[in-house]
Amino acid sequence: DQQVKQNSPSLSVQEGRISILNCDYTNSMFDYFLWYKKYPAEGPTFLISISSIKDKNEDGRFTVFLNKSAKHLSLHIVPSQPGDSAVYFCAARGHTGTASKLTFGTGTRLQVTL
Amino acid sequence: NAGVTQTPKFRVLKTGQSMTLLCAQDMNHEYMYWYRQDPGMGLRLIHYSVGEGTTAKGEVPDGYNVSRLKKQNFLLGLESAAPSQTSVYFCASGVGYEQYFGPGTRLTVT
Repeated sequence: DQQVKQNSPSLSVQEGRISILNCDYTNSMFDYFLWYKKYPAEGPTFLISISSIKDKNEDGRFTVFLNKSAKHLSLHIVPSQPGDSAVYFCAARGHTGTASKLTFGTGTRLQVTL
Repeated sequence: NAGVTQTPKFRVLKTGQSMTLLCAQDMNHEYMYWYRQDPGMGLRLIHYSVGEGTTAKGEVPDGYNVSRLKKQNFLLGLESAAPSQTSVYFCASGVGYEQYFGPGTRLTVT
């Protein structure tokens, strides 16, 4: 049972345009949602997060939108740059006792072309 | 400040061999995690620890053991490696909802 889904394995966008990466989840108990960026041969790095009580969070070129009723979040990158080419993972936090555990989606590979 | 480091970076094992992957963090984080990443599967949690001397099972714990004898170190052991354990292994540490990842260990079991 995949609780966090990224249905688009890949996305290609021209430099300067908007990139929109999507993520769906099934567990309504998740309280934080995060996006991680991963370059080849490196570990994932934290990009941006949003609390379940908010519907938008912005950080520079990156904005995350949360639609709780649809159990859907999206990451917008504007404008897209070649350095944004990477795999993006959506993750959601749930609690088990004192632990803070993340459930990851399968990732979307973003290619920003010149 | 090195963050999260993992050793080794690469390893090839024969079926049935054992090995230990070492994760070290210098951020004084209480929580540490081991994940594996397989094509089309995202990152899946193997084991985690909420503090020195504690460990707990994650989503895919079978075939692995862990130990957290010191706060800064989290060891992942494979007692008898199987080809299904061929993967990239990531360690992470964190506080709150944010986790910081190491560079990964690419393990191949033949």
